[in-house]
Amino acid sequence: KAGVTQTPRYLIKTRGQQVTLSCSPISGHRSVSWYQQTPGQGLQFLFEYFSETQRNKGNFPGRFSGRQFSNSRSEMNVSTLELGDSALYLCASSLGLAGGPTDTQYFGPGTRLTVL
Amino acid sequence: AQSVTQPDIHITVSEGASLELRCNYSYGATPYLFWYVQSPGQGLQLLLKYFSGDTLVQGIKGFEAEFKRSQSSFNLRKPSVHWSDAAEYFCAVGDGNNDMRFGAGTRLTVKP
Repeated sequence: KAGVTQTPRYLIKTRGQQVTLSCSPISGHRSVSWYQQTPGQGLQFLFEYFSETQRNKGNFPGRFSGRQFSNSRSEMNVSTLELGDSALYLCASSLGLAGGPTDTQYFGPGTRLTVL
Repeated sequence: AQSVTQPDIHITVSEGASLELRCNYSYGATPYLFWYVQSPGQGLQLLLKYFSGDTLVQGIKGFEAEFKRSQSSFNLRKPSVHWSDAAEYFCAVGDGNNDMRFGAGTRLTVKP
């Protein structure tokens, strides 16, 4: 079974631009979660989507948004990029809601975003 | 909400030596506990998880972890470390209701 895939793997943008990252979950998984990983802040939860609905959201500004499609693929969008948005963005999929008794999150390799 | 503390930012062990990585959690009910490993430039890979039952959990790559409710701990152990175990290790706790929190991570260096 194919794992979680994320595209693109690397991205360079300039301040003020916007960016869209894509995540394809493992086949059959309905939950997709997004995380931001930086050396200073560690792994921080952005949001989780389940069956096309946002189920949980971390403490990030409204510039960060996402959506999930009917095939469970998810996109994350960041508008008006700032230097501090430079990070590794990880996507994880699970059968059900993350952190639950029946579920394990499987992570993709991440998208490395650099904002200049 | 639950939280996770990994007290050790960086640990160095010699190849062949035993390893213990500490994880403490804060949560009012029975937590769902996980250990993940991340190699440089890669995503996170699940090593093991605890939901209920036997408090000693066996994982992949020869790792195990023990849930100790009285100490609010879920420490990761390996009896003999290999050079390929050098990576960053993350402990995580879930509340069973789509809220996952990760620790800050412990970076493991293995000396030859």
